[in-house]
Amino acid sequence: GAGVSQTPSNKVTEKGKYVELRCDPISGHTALYWYRQSLGQGPEFLIYFQGTGAADDSGLPNDRFFAVRPEGSVSTLKIQRTERGDSAVYLCASSFGPATNEKLFFGSGTQLSVL
Amino acid sequence: AQSVAQPEDQVNVAEGNPLTVKCTYSVSGNPYLFWYVQYPNRGLQFLLKYITGDNLVKGSYGFEAEFNKSQTSFHLKKPSALVSDSALYFCAAPISGNTPLVFGKGTRLSVIA
Repeated sequence: GAGVSQTPSNKVTEKGKYVELRCDPISGHTALYWYRQSLGQGPEFLIYFQGTGAADDSGLPNDRFFAVRPEGSVSTLKIQRTERGDSAVYLCASSFGPATNEKLFFGSGTQLSVL
Repeated sequence: AQSVAQPEDQVNVAEGNPLTVKCTYSVSGNPYLFWYVQYPNRGLQFLLKYITGDNLVKGSYGFEAEFNKSQTSFHLKKPSALVSDSALYFCAAPISGNTPLVFGKGTRLSVIA
């Protein structure tokens, strides 16, 4: 594809439910990032993959959040027992290499609403 | 640890006037600094970056940023603002070394015709 694709674009769920958010990065990009953006705030780092492995998961807020990238391409962010405070836009980004030197390409995000 | 701060929530400027969006940083070591822009209903887009070299960095859409080590600033500038420049602007930097970017809280730029 031409850019980073995130699905769904919107997800409404009930408190306590499980959700999965998908990110399809630009082909050939080895680095993949998940961020979360609340209204009026900048993107907040969650987790970074280099290939299939999570190189840095220090931004995951608690053990309800988990992400995988089994084949080094598509990634899924999984949230268990959702809470109202999880409501935000979840952004995915990819790059050729580490973001320190490379520009990030962002998807349009998934708006998650927990009722 | 490295972080960035954007002191202004909102900047208003008349079309055709120069614009400045401010960013200051705190750093251990040599800073890597970035600007991203978020247009309404669109994803974040890279504008420019400073790694090393010239203090004046040129980027997309006619934007530039000036790295000032003595003032620990990396302000975004454009000589003549367009209404289409209205968007949310984010300054960003890695926390330290080879780590993911940390973003500022953003500055909303409104260019008025």
